[in-house]
Amino acid sequence: AQTVTQSQPEMSVQEAETVTLSCTYDTSESDYYLFWYKQPPSRQMILVIRQEAYKQQNATENRFSVNFQKAAKSFSLKISDSQLGDAAMYFCAYRSVAGGTSYGKLTFGQGTILTVHP
Amino acid sequence: DAGVIQSPRHEVTEMGQEVTLRCKPISGHNSLFWYRQTMMRGLELLIYFNNNVPIDDSGMPEDRFSAKMPNASFSTLKIQPSEPRDSAVYFCASSLNSGGDTQYFGPGTRLTVL
Repeated sequence: AQTVTQSQPEMSVQEAETVTLSCTYDTSESDYYLFWYKQPPSRQMILVIRQEAYKQQNATENRFSVNFQKAAKSFSLKISDSQLGDAAMYFCAYRSVAGGTSYGKLTFGQGTILTVHP
Repeated sequence: DAGVIQSPRHEVTEMGQEVTLRCKPISGHNSLFWYRQTMMRGLELLIYFNNNVPIDDSGMPEDRFSAKMPNASFSTLKIQPSEPRDSAVYFCASSLNSGGDTQYFGPGTRLTVL
């Protein structure tokens, strides 16, 4: 079974600064997808960014980018020019594309609470 | 698109009562997922459907929980009888297929069992 670990329960950043959230995962599969979701106080789960494991190029979405290290099984999220609205819980998630009942299942990390200071 | 719709948004009930949570996936999506979020266990998958068929229900905690998807646009998660330890936020998510496509989440239902 896959596991996802977020080792930083809490992080803080000053507005306009850059912060990196860490995520590692364990899998024996060679093809899979990785996601970062944001959960603000409204509790809505919002997709931030997605990475296909077969792509070497790191995904980017505006101020959000990832550092995907497949061999190290690491998938960190970098938020540039942090804004007050970025304050939320961030979840790293792994999605299997292997056959069987694991197909398509999302496995989440424990989450990292990000605080943005004005 | 309206996104994934869940109802009710909040539910408060007493122990022993039946609770039914409802979900309408995004139109055209053929995979639907039910998750539960608690402080102790985080986000965990309860069950998921592909083309209205339950594929994996290994996350369903016990027989008190049941889920159905009678058609492509509607699913229910039922708890009978409910217990205080069932208190959690229940999310429904849908995706275009059950492979690598992104799962889009509903707003969740906050369930409190007294």
